Amino acid sequence: DARVTQTPRHKVTEMGQEVTMRCQPILGHNTVFWYRQTMMQGLELLAYFRNRAPLDDSGMPKDRFSAEMPDATLATLKIQPSEPRDSAVYFCASGLGQEYSNQPQHFGDGTRLSIL
Amino acid sequence: AQKITQTQPGMFVQEKEAVTLDCTYDTSDPSYGLFWYKQPSSGEMIFLIYQGSYDQQNATEGRYSLNFQKARKSANLVISASQLGDSAMYFCAMREGFGGGSNYKLTFGKGTLLTVNP
Repeated sequence: DARVTQTPRHKVTEMGQEVTMRCQPILGHNTVFWYRQTMMQGLELLAYFRNRAPLDDSGMPKDRFSAEMPDATLATLKIQPSEPRDSAVYFCASGLGQEYSNQPQHFGDGTRLSIL
Repeated sequence: AQKITQTQPGMFVQEKEAVTLDCTYDTSDPSYGLFWYKQPSSGEMIFLIYQGSYDQQNATEGRYSLNFQKARKSANLVISASQLGDSAMYFCAMREGFGGGSNYKLTFGKGTLLTVNP
């Protein structure tokens, strides 16, 4: 089965450090999403891309977060500088375009981030 | 206002019995889709079932079915013959304005934690 691959699975680092999370979407999927999951806020959409172009990053704190798709097989989410409140599970998901709107987004296993 | 409401923070069911997990939604868009995902304790998000706003029939997928009541804006998930492996968090999500609309995002509810007792 094709899967969304996220690395690293776990990350523990100190406040102020840069964190980079990577995602390899399913081959052929042209939309990529970044979500953050916390106990308090649940699942929140941070950003999403279609055909590698950013469509919406309104859910992302712009001062410290950035999301990019350098190519069709790689999406990155960076936090610089990191803060303890960024501790969460970050999910990447991929899907087909709007013409396949009945198709689900497929999620990776997530990156569990802890900022000390 | 919340777009997706899951009113049951936790539910318990006996193994082999059926259980219904509630989901109500709020949208003014006539074109939308509703999705259910399962998140076991291991953390991954697993797609279960989909219902489109124009679908005439309730969606079914194995032991999962959707009780879709459009006028009431509800899309409840029914799990038949519960198994111990069904113990997990279940999320309802909505996508609005597809098929030419600009919004491809999913909005998630807060989830319902289902525990299946032996």
